Amino acid sequence: DGGITQSPKYLFRKEGQNVTLSCEQNLNHDAMYWYRQDPGQGLRLIYYSQIVNDFQKGDIAEGYSVSREKKESFPLTVTSAQKNPTAFYLCASSTVAKNIQYFGAGTRLSVL
Amino acid sequence: QQPVQSPQAVILREGEDAVINCSSSKALYSVHWYRQKHGEAPVFLMILLKGGEQKGHEKISASFNEKKQQSSLYLTASQLSYSGTYFCGTAIQGAQKLVFGQGTRLTINP
Repeated sequence: DGGITQSPKYLFRKEGQNVTLSCEQNLNHDAMYWYRQDPGQGLRLIYYSQIVNDFQKGDIAEGYSVSREKKESFPLTVTSAQKNPTAFYLCASSTVAKNIQYFGAGTRLSVL
Repeated sequence: QQPVQSPQAVILREGEDAVINCSSSKALYSVHWYRQKHGEAPVFLMILLKGGEQKGHEKISASFNEKKQQSSLYLTASQLSYSGTYFCGTAIQGAQKLVFGQGTRLTINP
């Protein structure tokens, strides 16, 4: 079945630690996105990528980094510079032409 | 710029109707509607591209006004399964990314 897989489902970060969230898609989509969702809030764009080896900052990129070495994969690293990382993180993908975004099941990140 | 959704929350009895609005200060290229159940991923409902467009089926439909600055989502004869938070995502011409509204929480009671 085609879809987007995020892992892990739950993640705990210690102070000063970098953590990486995985996002893999087998929909053959060119574009991929990372969003952050805080309780009762909308989706805020962290980074997006329209093509391999290229990505753009979204509205809240500070404290995060990404890579896009393969079309299928778009991992997000939450660095120690992100002082308030506790949130629900959603990955999505789409074709460039239509931009209908399909979401993964999300990773819930908490700070220990 | 983030679109404004209204209302922020709605509580209905099963079988009642709801309207959720999404407004932008700029003309939009497209509007996307998504529904998210608690703790789950948002699910795509529909996309509107043309001014004056109406789309969907008799139970869940949406419109996009002529100026392409406002969209409304219509939920008719609501069912328990319609409960969740509804988001509009908007795109301006030439932009790949969507900007999402803050969401409208819909609760359907038996």
